[in-house]
Amino acid sequence: DAKTTQPNSMESNEEEPVHLPCNHSTISGTDYIHWYRQLPSQGPEYVIHGLTSNVNNRMASLAIAEDRKSSTLILHRATLRDAAVYYCILREAGSARQLTFGSGTQLTVLP
Amino acid sequence: GAGVSQTPSNKVTEKGKYVELRCDPISGHTALYWYRQSLGQGPEFLIYFQGTGAADDSGLPNDRFFAVRPEGSVSTLKIQRTERGDSAVYLCASSRLGLAGQETQYFGPGTRLLVL
Repeated sequence: DAKTTQPNSMESNEEEPVHLPCNHSTISGTDYIHWYRQLPSQGPEYVIHGLTSNVNNRMASLAIAEDRKSSTLILHRATLRDAAVYYCILREAGSARQLTFGSGTQLTVLP
Repeated sequence: GAGVSQTPSNKVTEKGKYVELRCDPISGHTALYWYRQSLGQGPEFLIYFQGTGAADDSGLPNDRFFAVRPEGSVSTLKIQRTERGDSAVYLCASSRLGLAGQETQYFGPGTRLLVL
């Protein structure tokens, strides 16, 4: 899987939107962009994924750049329960099925 | 429905001992994964099962590590002659088989292994 780059940490105020960036300049045309998050003392949890178009679900939105070399996970209204490590992962259709995690972004939400 | 469960939640053992870690996947999920997570790092892949067979065991660090899934459901990760460096959180995940690029994995809470 192609490599992703994320900031080590970010802070946000409660009830404000959060934009978590991910760079993936070597992405290939068949790579899906996945986001997982890991709350303290829990296993990772799927958040959202997309290929080319922006995606929305009940947890978050995923904005994908037109050239697909970067993407942004958007939490519309951060809560204290959103404090977690967020992982951006590229997955190629037809390649190995396991997830390749980087070190992710530690999101701190301030009350 | 029930999620992925892992037992025990914590395991303390002595160097050189044998341990078994159990994973109960979500019912009907044919794919099962084991990962290992050291403090401050992201999870690292160990082994992947499709049904009863290990489809990819390229992440197992050495021959002290072995995993089975005899009936295509519950899986056991076995570690022989444990070493202090094996201390980590061992995570299990399961998924329905689908297009690899779009498959969602569901993780258990992990087993925290401490080797003294």
